[in-house]
Order: sequence, then structure tokens, then C-alpha cells
Amino acid sequence: AQSVSQHNHHVILSEAASLELGCNYSYGGTVNLFWYVQYPGQHLQLLLKYFSGDPLVKGIKGFEAEFIKSKFSFNLRKPSVQWSDTAEYFCAVNAPYGGSQGNLIFGKGTKLSVKP
Amino acid sequence: KAGVTQTPRYLIKTRGQQVTLSCSPISGHRSVSWYQQTPGQGLQFLFEYFSETQRNKGNFPGRFSGRQFSNSRSEMNVSTLELGDSALYLCASSTSENGELFFGEGSRLTVL
Repeated sequence: AQSVSQHNHHVILSEAASLELGCNYSYGGTVNLFWYVQYPGQHLQLLLKYFSGDPLVKGIKGFEAEFIKSKFSFNLRKPSVQWSDTAEYFCAVNAPYGGSQGNLIFGKGTKLSVKP
Repeated sequence: KAGVTQTPRYLIKTRGQQVTLSCSPISGHRSVSWYQQTPGQGLQFLFEYFSETQRNKGNFPGRFSGRQFSNSRSEMNVSTLELGDSALYLCASSTSENGELFFGEGSRLTVL
């Protein structure tokens, strides 16, 4: 069965620090990869996505992620975090063949706390 | 464009009761998926509906069921509630084949 692992449960950073959140998935075939973010009291929203092409994808609010197929990884990065980035971040994978479009496998999430 | 709307937002039930949750997808979205979110298990896929047909189902007992109507609105039902069913139930709609989901704010169910 497919699985998604997020290495850090809780990350605490000061403003302006750099961020990297790890994500590894277990599926060996073609995948679509996502990072979703859940700000306090708000609904899950898409941060960025990778379907194909350039493995370095850019999302909203200065976030980017790199797909490394050989490592089954899709790590999220931001050069300089802000207090407003405090949220929970979820990595997710969808196998377009054999799965269905609405069936995402999510990691357990990483809570990011940014100290002002 | 209105987002995904879920009702009710909060509800409290007792063990053994049943509950029905409703979801109105974004206009034009024909796929609706349901997820259960708990602190221990995270986000777990329940089922997906497309054009009134269940297209995929997660690993949940038969007490969890759903349906989709011709206007793409969806409901999920949980019968014989257990304490462990306390969770945030999220609905998401989609129109693409690439799995990009748009989530509602969820229905928070507490089972006493």
C-alpha cells in the first residue's frame, strides 16, 4: 500500500530562518505530488503541486518543492519564513493510474511554529 | 466562485446514534471525496463519488456510507456511532484528473 512519511512532527523556527520539510512516499510508479497547508482555524488549501516536467516547482507565498524521483522525495522549502507561515503542512500523493483523482494519501503532517 | 460548503459545522452525538453530513462542491466540480481527520491517524480517505457513482473507497467499516446526487452534492452517513468516530470530516471537490482537491472547512463530530 502507498504511504507518505513526513519526517518532522513539529518544527519551531524564528522569523527569517530557512525551512525544509521532508516528505517521502512509497509508490514506485508515476505519481502526482502535493503540499497542502492548514492555517489555524482555516481549511486545507493547496500550496503547490507536481505533475510532471521541471522537478522544482514553485507555489504560493514563496514556497517551493523539489521532486527527486530516485529518492522518492518531495521536500518543501522556503528561504525565509514569516510568522504568518505558522500552520500545519501536509504532503500528499496521488497515483493517477490505479487510483482515482479524489484519493490522496496524506502524510501525518508537520506543525510549523514561527517565533516572531 | 463559492467554495466547498459543509454542513453542519459542529455536532454532538451519543454512541449508537447515526449522523448525516452534507457537502456542496464548487460549481462545476463533479468529483467529491470525503476524508476523516483525527490527531492520531491524520487524514484518511473515506470514499470518492463521481457522477453519482462511488469510484473509490477507503479502509473504513460499512457503518460509513455516502452518496452523491445529480447536482453533485454529497452526503455521508455514519451509523451506530462509536467514540472513535469523533473527528473532523472533510469534504473535497475536484474537476481535474490530477487530484487537485479543494477542501471545505469540515464538520466536527463529537461522539459522547
